[in-house]
Amino acid sequence: EVQLVESGEGLVQPGSSMKLSCVASGFTFSNYGMNWIRQAPKKGLEWIALIYYDSSSKYYADSVKGRFTISRDNSKNTLYLEMNSLRSEDTAMYYCVKLGAPDYWGQGVMVTVSS
Amino acid sequence: DVVMTQTPVSLSLAIGQPASISCKSSQSLLGTSGKTFLNWILQRPGQSPKRLIYQVSKLYSEVPDRFSGSGSETEFTLKISRVEAEDLGVYYCWQGTHFPLTFGSGTKLEIK
Repeated sequence: EVQLVESGEGLVQPGSSMKLSCVASGFTFSNYGMNWIRQAPKKGLEWIALIYYDSSSKYYADSVKGRFTISRDNSKNTLYLEMNSLRSEDTAMYYCVKLGAPDYWGQGVMVTVSS
Repeated sequence: DVVMTQTPVSLSLAIGQPASISCKSSQSLLGTSGKTFLNWILQRPGQSPKRLIYQVSKLYSEVPDRFSGSGSETEFTLKISRVEAEDLGVYYCWQGTHFPLTFGSGTKLEIK
């Protein structure tokens, strides 16, 4: 059974940093690109970052470019999202997602940025 | 970025009624590979999104065959032949043909 389990949930102040993790199991993690997708409260879905299977390429949405960094450790089957200079508009549920038929979504982890 | 426009915003249907959701893209989603990467997901209340359909009309194995997808280029449709209680939630279309991938704004299905 495929599982994507995110962790790192929390409440932080504007301007601070936070790191999310996603542990994958049930598929060959090192063979696939991985994504982070987020959903602000009562809002729609926003893709924010993609990393290739071998970390050779990384892409970001304009809304997070220069502040967020996606990375992975294939030896640990783990995906990361390091978030710096957090803003109130970054408050959202963050999903770890493998896209590409088959798609797999994690359960999500809530990040709240508030003073 | 490709804009995905979903209609209607919401649907309120009784059990057993058919449902139809439209998704239109601002650009053709036919890729250079000849494939069209238009997908549908369902987000039930309080849950993460669940996959339904990929490449316009291909159902994931766990999805009941009352669901179907159709369309081409810029116009796509998700249909439910007979709505069941478990189908309530928000349906999103999303495209993976053009970078960055983008989502529709969602269609909320309520059960009367």
